[in-house]
Amino acid sequence: DAGVTQSPTHLIKTRGQHVTLRCSPISGHKSVSWYQQVLGQGPQFIFQYYEKEERGRGNFPDRFSARQFPNYSSELNVNALLLGDSALYLCASSLVGDTEAFFGQGTRLTVV
Amino acid sequence: GENVEQHPSTLSVQEGDSAVIKCTYSDSASNYFPWYKQELGKRPQLIIDIRSNVGEKKDQRIAVTLNKTAKHFSLHITETQPEDSAVYFCAASGIWGKLIFGQGTELSVKP
Repeated sequence: DAGVTQSPTHLIKTRGQHVTLRCSPISGHKSVSWYQQVLGQGPQFIFQYYEKEERGRGNFPDRFSARQFPNYSSELNVNALLLGDSALYLCASSLVGDTEAFFGQGTRLTVV
Repeated sequence: GENVEQHPSTLSVQEGDSAVIKCTYSDSASNYFPWYKQELGKRPQLIIDIRSNVGEKKDQRIAVTLNKTAKHFSLHITETQPEDSAVYFCAASGIWGKLIFGQGTELSVKP
């Protein structure tokens, strides 16, 4: 059984650029959430999607957006990148919203 | 707003000793409390969880307790081993599964 997969694993971008991160949930999982983890801190909630609808949004600027596709995979988009966006971006999937969440390996984004 | 406080931030124990990590949450609507272990450079991995209708849950050397009235929950690891060394995160979640994480505890188990 494949776990949660994220792509790419590492990414280097320049300030002002745009980035798209991708996540494939565990087969059968309909809920996908995105988190940002800065070095030395706990993951911070960005978005949650369930059945292709946004169910929650964290305290992040409008430069951050996401969507979930009919196959339940998801994309996180970040526009106008800032140095402070450098972090590990984690995707988690679960059967429904309030059940066990399984994390992908993350995408390490570095903004230079 | 929603908040989870976790203590201590670092914890050093001798192999074989017990380790206890404590968390406090603010949102009284929270009903699911998972604990994650994260090794350096790796993804968070769920090690144990508890729901609000249960006061205690145990899985081999790991146990979690929940006091809903006080909004406290704790992780207990007994007979610690060097491979338990990692960063541990508590989290609290409501109906849609939005996880609010604590700041993390770096556990070091010395042989």
